[in-house]
Amino acid sequence: DGGITQSPKYLFRKEGQNVTLSCEQNLNHDAMYWYRQDPGQGLRLIYYSQIVNDFQKGDIAEGYSVSREKKESFPLTVTSAQKNPTAFYLCASSTSGTLTYEQYFGPGTRLTVT
Amino acid sequence: QQQVKQSPQSLIVQKGGISIINCAYENTAFDYFPWYQQFPGKGPALLIAIRPDVSEKKEGRFTISFNKSAKQFSLHIMDSQPGDSATYFCAARVMGGGNKLTFGTGTQLKVEL
Repeated sequence: DGGITQSPKYLFRKEGQNVTLSCEQNLNHDAMYWYRQDPGQGLRLIYYSQIVNDFQKGDIAEGYSVSREKKESFPLTVTSAQKNPTAFYLCASSTSGTLTYEQYFGPGTRLTVT
Repeated sequence: QQQVKQSPQSLIVQKGGISIINCAYENTAFDYFPWYQQFPGKGPALLIAIRPDVSEKKEGRFTISFNKSAKQFSLHIMDSQPGDSATYFCAARVMGGGNKLTFGTGTQLKVEL
């Protein structure tokens, strides 16, 4: 059963702690993406990676970091520098190339920082 | 800077009616316009998509209308059903931009019996 898994579904942290969100895909996709979703603001791109060992900042990368050591995995770390980390985080993947279009999304992780 | 403007923010439609959601953009470098459907607590799923060389695309009860000169596109849901109740996002991709999508702010659709 191919797809994208994100774990955990719910995550709670205290302010000042770093937290890492997991994203794994078995679709054999080269490209992976992290989005943040807040009520009334749609999805905003945090980071994306088109190939292993390479990634680029999206529109709201400040306070976040990523790594792409394996094709299947693209973990996101929310650092203590992120001023408003409470949000719904979505991971996505797609094939890579000029004709690629569809991004497939995981089920998301809801992070609450208090 | 919001590059894709979506309206309305919320929409209530009677069962069997037509739901219409609109999006507008400014960047003429966009070359792909998908619509995503999202149910509460779930990730978005691609519903239908269009390229700017086509004025309309229909898949079942879902139709995208695209007006290149006006830089607008819309989603029409015919014969709306309670199961269509979800949040809908339009998006756009910049040609050569690494398949990055810019999303609208979403429309929460409720279809009432």
